[in-house]
Amino acid sequence: QVQLVQSGAEVKEPGASVKISCKASGYMFMDYAIHWVRQAPGQRPEWMGWINRGNDNKKYSQKFQGRFTISRDTSANTVYMELSGLMSEDTAVYYCARVLTGSDGCDFWGQGTRVTVSS
Amino acid sequence: QSVLTQPPSVSGAPGQRVTISCTGSSTNIGAGYDVQWYRQLPGTAPKLLIFDSVHRPPGVPGRFSGSKSGISASLAITGLQAEDEADYYCHSSDSSLTVVFGGGTKLTVL
Repeated sequence: QVQLVQSGAEVKEPGASVKISCKASGYMFMDYAIHWVRQAPGQRPEWMGWINRGNDNKKYSQKFQGRFTISRDTSANTVYMELSGLMSEDTAVYYCARVLTGSDGCDFWGQGTRVTVSS
Repeated sequence: QSVLTQPPSVSGAPGQRVTISCTGSSTNIGAGYDVQWYRQLPGTAPKLLIFDSVHRPPGVPGRFSGSKSGISASLAITGLQAEDEADYYCHSSDSSLTVVFGGGTKLTVL
């Protein structure tokens, strides 16, 4: 069955970077794009960026331009996100989500990775 | 302020029908972009209920339906059940911000 398994919770100091992995299984990895979405406590989900299927095209939210990077390791069926210059406002649960082909709908989600930014 | 506006809360009794609206603008829903709907239980990831405004993924009951008109979209839930109590979010693309989510609606089953 389709699964997206993310790396574990992180606690970081302000100014640090965090890298989260999202390992896919149960489907043809390169056939689907992946979104990264975060959700601060009590807030709506917030889109951060995506990596396209079949190629290395990426798109990032302007809000995170310059400090957010998505990468992919096809040999490991894993997508990564890295966010640098962490601030307390970056405290949130970060999700990867598979994008339905031909749609913007995200049909499978990772379990979420909690990132806490605190000094 | 969310680009997509949802009512903060709706409620209904078991068995009733409720609708949740999602109002956008000419740069997102009004520009022809489709709408997705998700349900989120506390501490869990969102679950896709409706994609491309009207389609249900496999496994989602027919009690859930979506529609879109003009700058708005709606999610309708019939035969309300206690397990439907959750937060619901709409999601679309926007020509300026690329991908946007609504502010969320908390559904209470009375």
